[in-house]
Amino acid sequence: GDSVTQMEGPVTLSEEAFLTINCTYTATGYPSLFWYVQYPGEGLQLLLKATKADDKGSNKGFEATYRKETTSFHLEKGSVQVSDSAVYFCALSHTGRRALTFGSGTRLQVQP
Amino acid sequence: DAGVIQSPRHEVTEMGQEVTLRCKPISGHDYLFWYRQTMMRGLELLIYFNNNVPIDDSGMPEDRFSAKMPNASFSTLKIQPSEPRDSAVYFCASSPTSGDYNEQFFGPGTRLTVL
Repeated sequence: GDSVTQMEGPVTLSEEAFLTINCTYTATGYPSLFWYVQYPGEGLQLLLKATKADDKGSNKGFEATYRKETTSFHLEKGSVQVSDSAVYFCALSHTGRRALTFGSGTRLQVQP
Repeated sequence: DAGVIQSPRHEVTEMGQEVTLRCKPISGHDYLFWYRQTMMRGLELLIYFNNNVPIDDSGMPEDRFSAKMPNASFSTLKIQPSEPRDSAVYFCASSPTSGDYNEQFFGPGTRLTVL
């Protein structure tokens, strides 16, 4: 079955540092890939997405590129802010099955 | 739009009691999902509906759990009887049919504590 593996957290960074959160997946075919973010006490929000190989999703300074050859979708941001502190989830889905398969989540803590 | 609405936000109950969680999806969305989040197991899909019909309930842990969607604007997740291991945050999400990327919109969640 499908699975998503994320790097374990927490990831602690200073403000303006570079961020990478690794995500790899196992799936048949060509799934769509997502990053969701969960701020404290809230539900998940879609951060960015990519639907085919080599697509780059981007939003709010975050980027991730769909790499079919390495089955990866790593999340990056050039300069993090304290307000980026949250839990980040990598996920995938197939067109024929609407449900999302999530990774375990990575907590990011950004210190001023 | 008000987004996905869940109630209650917090529920504390005793083992053996019946618990009902409620969800109102975004108007016009015809997919509805129930997820459970725990520290040990992360985010797990319990069940999802399309046009009020259950499509996949393979994630429902056992017969104590049941979910219904009597109409397009309301769904319930019921646990009877509840057990301490059911303590978790339960999320409801909805999704429109259109679009090729299956974006889901999540509610704020219900934090359930079973004593």
